[in-house]
Amino acid sequence: GQQLNQSPQSMFIQEGEDVSMNCTSSSIFNTWLWYKQDPGEGPVLLIALYKAGELTSNGRLTAQFGITRKDSFLNISASIPSDVGIYFCAGHHAGGTSYGKLTFGQGTILTVHP
Amino acid sequence: EPEVTQTPSHQVTQMGQEVILRCVPISNHLYFYWYRQILGQKVEFLVSFYNNEISEKSEIFDDQFSVERPDGSNFTLKIRSTKLEDSAMYFCASSEARLNSPLHFGNGTRLTVT
Repeated sequence: GQQLNQSPQSMFIQEGEDVSMNCTSSSIFNTWLWYKQDPGEGPVLLIALYKAGELTSNGRLTAQFGITRKDSFLNISASIPSDVGIYFCAGHHAGGTSYGKLTFGQGTILTVHP
Repeated sequence: EPEVTQTPSHQVTQMGQEVILRCVPISNHLYFYWYRQILGQKVEFLVSFYNNEISEKSEIFDDQFSVERPDGSNFTLKIRSTKLEDSAMYFCASSEARLNSPLHFGNGTRLTVT
């Protein structure tokens, strides 16, 4: 189906540590998007990936679109306290109209201890 | 940077009442969406809207829901007769009119049905 399995569910790390989270699916996606959500706010787009194998960076964030088109990871290097929040993967499922029906992962709650 | 704006930020209503949630999408975007996030859960697609009609809707978007673009800037979600289980954050989003374009989300309206 179009489910996205995101892991880990939560992470507790020390400031300065690197973080890695990933999403997998049993079906193929045309895009992979990574969003961050702060409490009481909407998801904010961090990185958008459009091609299998694509590796894209945005400051300390790096994300990759898996070769099989069924997975993606997000890395955060040298974490800082403002990285705290919920990170969601999302994607446009292949085979659909894909103009906006994003499927979201369950989210990774990141806590950074100073 | 242009953004999606939503009003109100919080709406409390009694079961059975009608509510209208309002959104102003990014001005040059042509696709509009409503998503829902029940507390602690992932973001779920409700409906997409293009060229003054619904493009796609999920099974959540039943006859109690409707959307409208009443003028050149607003996009609304109406829930005709609210139920307790409609309590959630409702996010409006918009995107450019190209396949797999990333979505930009508003900060949401928290709907509480009592």
